[in-house]
Amino acid sequence: GESVGLHLPTLSVQEGDNSIINCAYSNSASDYFIWYKQESGKGPQFIIDIRSNMDKRQGQRVTVLLNKTVKHLSLQIAATQPGDSAVYFCADRTGFQKLVFGTGTRLLVSP
Amino acid sequence: DSGVTQTPKHLITATGQRVTLRCSPRSGDLSVYWYQQSLDQGLQFLIQYYNGEERAKGNILERFSAQQFPDLHSELNLSSLELGDSALYFCASSAGTGGLQETQYFGPGTRLLVL
Repeated sequence: GESVGLHLPTLSVQEGDNSIINCAYSNSASDYFIWYKQESGKGPQFIIDIRSNMDKRQGQRVTVLLNKTVKHLSLQIAATQPGDSAVYFCADRTGFQKLVFGTGTRLLVSP
Repeated sequence: DSGVTQTPKHLITATGQRVTLRCSPRSGDLSVYWYQQSLDQGLQFLIQYYNGEERAKGNILERFSAQQFPDLHSELNLSSLELGDSALYFCASSAGTGGLQETQYFGPGTRLLVL
């Protein structure tokens, strides 16, 4: 199952660098994918989503890439800032089924 | 601010007790979801209500129950509490039934500590 906390994979970057957070999903029938950001003591916050008929979607400073062949999702954050420090979760869904959250990744941004 | 509100923010109670967590969805949203987040289990879906009716069930224990009221707010009832129930409980809401491309917006959570 998914896990957070002490066993989270961690990505450490310098302020201004680009960050890439990766996520693997297991259900080849998944047709909707979403990234959430969770800051300490807060609830998950929607960042960006993508449907399975797309392979790239851009938002403000963020880009999500979807590779359905290898069932891989990534979140790219441009010019990472200290305020981007958080745990990032991907989630996927098939049709009307529940969202399945992946293992979170902790992003640490140092000034 | 997602527009989803949860009360209380923190709750400390003893084993065997019962507590009620409350959630108000974003204005206009008809679905409410409950999730449990603990250190070793991540975000686990518990249950979904849509317009007052149970829509989907996840890993919800029999000791736990939920309901959604006519004004669309929801309550999660946790009874016979055990130490292992200590976790963050999140409520999320979405506009419709939770289908394709429907975003769930999360509340700030209730931190439950069972002593």
